[in-house]
Parts: sequence; structure tokens; C-alpha cells
Amino acid sequence: NAGVTQTPKFRVLKTGQSMTLLCAQDMNHEYMYWYRQDPGMGLRLIHYSVGEGTTAKGEVPDGYNVSRLKKQNFLLGLESAAPSQTSVYFCASSYIWQGPLHFGNGTRLTVT
Amino acid sequence: AQKITQTQPGMFVQEKEAVTLDCTYDTSDPSYGLFWYKQPSSGEMIFLIYQGSYDQQNATEGRYSLNFQKARKSANLVISASQLGDSAMYFCAMSGWTQGGSEKLVFGKGTKLTVNP
Repeated sequence: NAGVTQTPKFRVLKTGQSMTLLCAQDMNHEYMYWYRQDPGMGLRLIHYSVGEGTTAKGEVPDGYNVSRLKKQNFLLGLESAAPSQTSVYFCASSYIWQGPLHFGNGTRLTVT
Repeated sequence: AQKITQTQPGMFVQEKEAVTLDCTYDTSDPSYGLFWYKQPSSGEMIFLIYQGSYDQQNATEGRYSLNFQKARKSANLVISASQLGDSAMYFCAMSGWTQGGSEKLVFGKGTKLTVNP
């Protein structure tokens, strides 16, 4: 039972490069979320999805795009990475809206 | 706007003692949820406990209990009989709304708990 799996675990990008973070969950959860965690800031919601084919903006969506083509997958894209996007990114899913979150292990991204 | 405040950047406790981690919140919504998450040094986020705003009794999960005082807008986490493995960052969170009108979870900045042997 894998739960929520994020890939990759670590990544270093140069300014202007693009990448996609993949999140997969095997719990049949409808709701999925992408958060970023920065020192002293707690977690902030980037984008979320309430079901297959849906996405919505969270608190800090600028510079990111997402897609939920399949219920089990939620992709986070950075089209043109900036140093301000250096962070730890967490994917999460939940069975009910605003319910307890099941988190992936995080992706540490550094943009130089 | 919703806000979570954790005033203790760091806390220390002796093994086997109880410890209370503070959390105060601010919201004008009558219906909300309060959560506590644990983040060990390995980095993963682990759900600990949930309290609904209409729940009459304080939530408990094993050694974790949530001291919910609605009038004071506080939702403190109590860990009984601390263990070395409890050393971690602890985040309080509340369901709320963005300025754009969409729902979100609001997280506090966390409290780092260190359990001493």
C-alpha cells in the first residue's frame, strides 16, 4: 500500500528551465493538493483538484500549472523556473474535502 | 481572513512527561476544522488529530489529545508520556477560505519539539 508517491525526490534546475513533478495516489481519493513548504512559512497551497479533470488555484499559484487527467495522478509543472521557486513541494490527497491529508514524502527543488 | 498562530518556535520536554503545544486561530466562519500534523526530521507530514468546530468533546487519538477551547479560539495539542520519537516539527492547521473564495487549509508556522532522554 504505497499511499501517495512523489517523484522525483530531489531536483536542481537552472533559471528558466522547466520540469514536471508527478504525484500518484492509490487510495482512490477525489481530492488532491500541491503545497510548498518554505522555512518559517509553514505550508502554502499552490493548486488543488476536486476530481479527475478539475483543477483550481490555491494561495500561491503564480508560476505553476497543474493537470489531473487521471484520478490517481496530479502533475505540477514549472514552465520557467525561478530562484523564488526553490522549496520543498508536497503532494497530498484526502478522502473528503478539507479532511485529513495524506502526504507524499516531498520533493526538494533548488533553482539556481 | 483565517489565521493560525503557533507562538512557540521550540519546546523541550523530558521523556515520559506530558507536553502542550499551543495553537490559536482566527476565523469568522461558524464551521471549520482544526488539524495537527507532525513532520519528523525525515521530512514526511503525518496527520495526527482532527477537531470539528461543532464537536462537543475534545478529540483524542492514543497519546494525542486536542484541548479545544472555542471561546478562546485555541486548539492546543497535548502529548502524554512523551517518547524520543515524538521529536519533530508540529503544525496546527485550520480549514478556511482564500480571498478569492476558494477553500483551503491554513497552516501555522510550526513548533519544533525536542524530547530529551
